[in-house]
Amino acid sequence: GQQLNQSPQSMFIQEGEDVSMNCTSSSIFNTWLWYKQEPGEGPVLLIALYKAGELTSNGRLTAQFGITRKDSFLNISASIPSDVGIYFCAGPNYGGSQGNLIFGKGTKLSVKP
Amino acid sequence: KAGVTQTPRYLIKTRGQQVTLSCSPISGHRSVSWYQQTPGQGLQFLFEYFSETQRNKGNFPGRFSGRQFSNSRSEMNVSTLELGDSALYLCASSLGGGWEQFFGPGTRLTVL
Repeated sequence: GQQLNQSPQSMFIQEGEDVSMNCTSSSIFNTWLWYKQEPGEGPVLLIALYKAGELTSNGRLTAQFGITRKDSFLNISASIPSDVGIYFCAGPNYGGSQGNLIFGKGTKLSVKP
Repeated sequence: KAGVTQTPRYLIKTRGQQVTLSCSPISGHRSVSWYQQTPGQGLQFLFEYFSETQRNKGNFPGRFSGRQFSNSRSEMNVSTLELGDSALYLCASSLGGGWEQFFGPGTRLTVL
């Protein structure tokens, strides 16, 4: 079945540094979603991407839909302590009908003040 | 606009019992999906309801069931609880025509 592979699994960075993470799939996706989850909370939708090559920003976050349609990237510029959390990529499970998303295992981000 | 709400936030049950979790979607959203999140397996899709009908189902045993009411609120039920059912159960709502889903805070279920 479809799988999403996220890397790195975890990152420990200094406040102010830029962050890059990615998500790859063995199959083509037409939509990529990026979520952030903080402890004790549900995932929060950060960015949605719908077109190959698309670059979308949300504040200090920028996500790109890879041109092969098999990958996506999320960058965070000038990280701050509140960026701490787990970042998930997600995409539609085309084997199922609407509403079935599959998720990567997440990238856990730690920011040292 | 109020977000997705889930009740209760925490539950402790013993093996063999059953449990019912509730989810109220964002106003105007007609689709509700349920996910199970565990450290080992990550986020796994349980089922999705749209207009009171189950539209899709994941690979979970029949002990996991759900329903949706005419006001789009949804419940999921787990019968004959097992230790392995301990997890964070997340509900997500969407308008129903796209892939963007908005999650609630989850219900943390602990089975002893």
